[in-house]
Amino acid sequence: KNEVEQSPQNLTAQEGEFITINCSYSVGISALHWLQQHPGGGIVSLFMLSSGKKKHGRLIATINIQEKHSSLHITASHPRDSAVYICAVFSGGGADGLTFGKGTHLIIQP
Amino acid sequence: NAGVTQTPKFQVLKTGQSMTLQCAQDMNHNSMYWYRQDPGMGLRLIYYSASEGTTDKGEVPNGYNVSRLNKREFSLRLESAAPSQTSVYFCASSVDRVYGYTFGSGTRLTVV
Repeated sequence: KNEVEQSPQNLTAQEGEFITINCSYSVGISALHWLQQHPGGGIVSLFMLSSGKKKHGRLIATINIQEKHSSLHITASHPRDSAVYICAVFSGGGADGLTFGKGTHLIIQP
Repeated sequence: NAGVTQTPKFQVLKTGQSMTLQCAQDMNHNSMYWYRQDPGMGLRLIYYSASEGTTDKGEVPNGYNVSRLNKREFSLRLESAAPSQTSVYFCASSVDRVYGYTFGSGTRLTVV
């Protein structure tokens, strides 16, 4: 089973700061997902990566397959970015093939 | 709006009571999943259904049963609720496991 580690577990920053959330995994994967969960809310898919880099608005996700590592960056952070960010890796095995990280709880203060 | 609809959003049960969590998707996805989310842990798969008429156990199936009623609907049943089943439950669906999942808004269940 793939082991997925996210860091930091908790992050509090000021509005406007550049945010980085990291995800490392132990076994080679086919794809990596970044998910967002607002307090009391559902889970929304932000990115699916298999290589390189993707950008959507102020969010940027990168993956280094050789290093088994991915980062999620938020530029010009805003209080509405406050949420739990979850990394999930798809290894192809098991029932759904997905292993989820425990999440990073991000708070952006105005 | 297209997506995954879960009901109810909140539920309080007494130990030993039963209930069914409902999930429906309108995206014509073949695969559907039930996860539970507990503090300090990643999402864990309870049951999944790769296609209509099939269901399989995930990582934590004990105490649960599921029914894939048709392509749209996948329900999760707790026959005799226990406090250890206090959790947030998410239903999800996918057209392809690699390319992503659509999640419901969650059911917050408390068993007292």
